[in-house]
Amino acid sequence: KNEVEQSPQNLTAQEGEFITINCSYSVGISALHWLQQHPGGGIVSLFMLSSGKKKHGRLIATINIQEKHSSLHITASHPRDSAVYICAVRSNTGNQFYFGTGTSLTVIP
Amino acid sequence: DAGVTQSPTHLIKTRGQQVTLRCSPISGHKSVSWYQQVLGQGPQFIFQYYEKEERGRGNFPDRFSARQFPNYSSELNVNALLLGDSALYLCASSLLVNSYNEQFFGPGTRLTVL
Repeated sequence: KNEVEQSPQNLTAQEGEFITINCSYSVGISALHWLQQHPGGGIVSLFMLSSGKKKHGRLIATINIQEKHSSLHITASHPRDSAVYICAVRSNTGNQFYFGTGTSLTVIP
Repeated sequence: DAGVTQSPTHLIKTRGQQVTLRCSPISGHKSVSWYQQVLGQGPQFIFQYYEKEERGRGNFPDRFSARQFPNYSSELNVNALLLGDSALYLCASSLLVNSYNEQFFGPGTRLTVL
């Protein structure tokens, strides 16, 4: 069993739709990251969370430490949002990072 | 200001060979982490270095080693390459080692082992 599970694995949306990607983890963490990876491999860090909620433009990330769950929301989705979104956590023991397998998002015009 | 840089961008090796991958962090960043991403999977953590010392290690065999230099750049070495080592190797830098520092990723080195 992976330490980090994401859902859905694949997601297709129409432009303008509200999108939610979920992440659940099983280890104690000190921080959770949401990453965006475009074709070709480049990874961009979107958010780093240890509690509560963060917003950046059309992106919102929330975390519930008690439930070991985080969500990434995209409002008014756009084709340029098409990418793989990866949830990653840093464990609070042993300095380990664990990654989800990613959610592949395609936004259709 | 340059971001994280990695070299080479692509590399082809044969089984049994050794490979060295290089990473230069963002100026001022003292921590470098290495990740392996096999096609179709999420990245897996290999190492984290801070101030030239190993601060974290993932579940990788001893064939994988790394070091960090006084200028904070880093090398990842893989010995006795296996076909399964074919992957995108990502380097990320952060200002400090603790978890409250955001990581910035490089473009990666794509290694193919034949």
